[in-house]
Amino acid sequence: DTAVSQTPKYLVTQMGNDKSIKCEQNLGHDTMYWYKQDSKKFLKIMFSYNNKELIINETVPNRFSPKSPDKAHLNLHINSLELGDSAVYFCASSQGGTGELFFGEGSRLTVL
Amino acid sequence: QKEVEQDPGPLSVPEGAIVSLNCTYSNSAFQYFMWYRQYSRKGPELLMYTYSSGNKEDGRFTAQVDKSSKYISLFIRDSQPSDSATYLCAMSETSGSRLTFGEGTQLTVNP
Repeated sequence: DTAVSQTPKYLVTQMGNDKSIKCEQNLGHDTMYWYKQDSKKFLKIMFSYNNKELIINETVPNRFSPKSPDKAHLNLHINSLELGDSAVYFCASSQGGTGELFFGEGSRLTVL
Repeated sequence: QKEVEQDPGPLSVPEGAIVSLNCTYSNSAFQYFMWYRQYSRKGPELLMYTYSSGNKEDGRFTAQVDKSSKYISLFIRDSQPSDSATYLCAMSETSGSRLTFGEGTQLTVNP
């Protein structure tokens, strides 16, 4: 049983389109995150939710909008995609916001 | 200047070698230090978790933290081809605060 699952694994789309990535965790954790990993493997936090409440909102363009319908789900919607949005987006969860993060397998976004 | 610096490599070693991976940091408030391992096309997974200065050993892996020098290391003894992955250091000020990751070091262990 996958602990943190994200869909889709791959997205290829044109500039200007809108896309969504979904994430679900079955670990019972109360904190979920979105991270962006660029081509150099640098992992940068984008958002964090604790029990459906947004607690971390890094300097991310407002074209990116997270939504947490419940504490087991965290989705990411991206409007008006740009070339620079191409990256791997990872969902993660933790209990109590500790440093032990459990990551999904990533969603690889390519914007053409 | 990045808060956490890590040599991206790539690092290539023969099987059985001792591997040393390192990170330096500038924020003296960091107290929690982690190493994550990321296999190709997979998400990172936690390998080692340490608090403050000192050593921690788990099997073939040893994590060292030297807060006075703002330097952390991960040693892998008797390295195996299955250790081939990218290793990311990460650190935070408190157990519940955001993690700051290093850039990751790509390691290949050749049979």
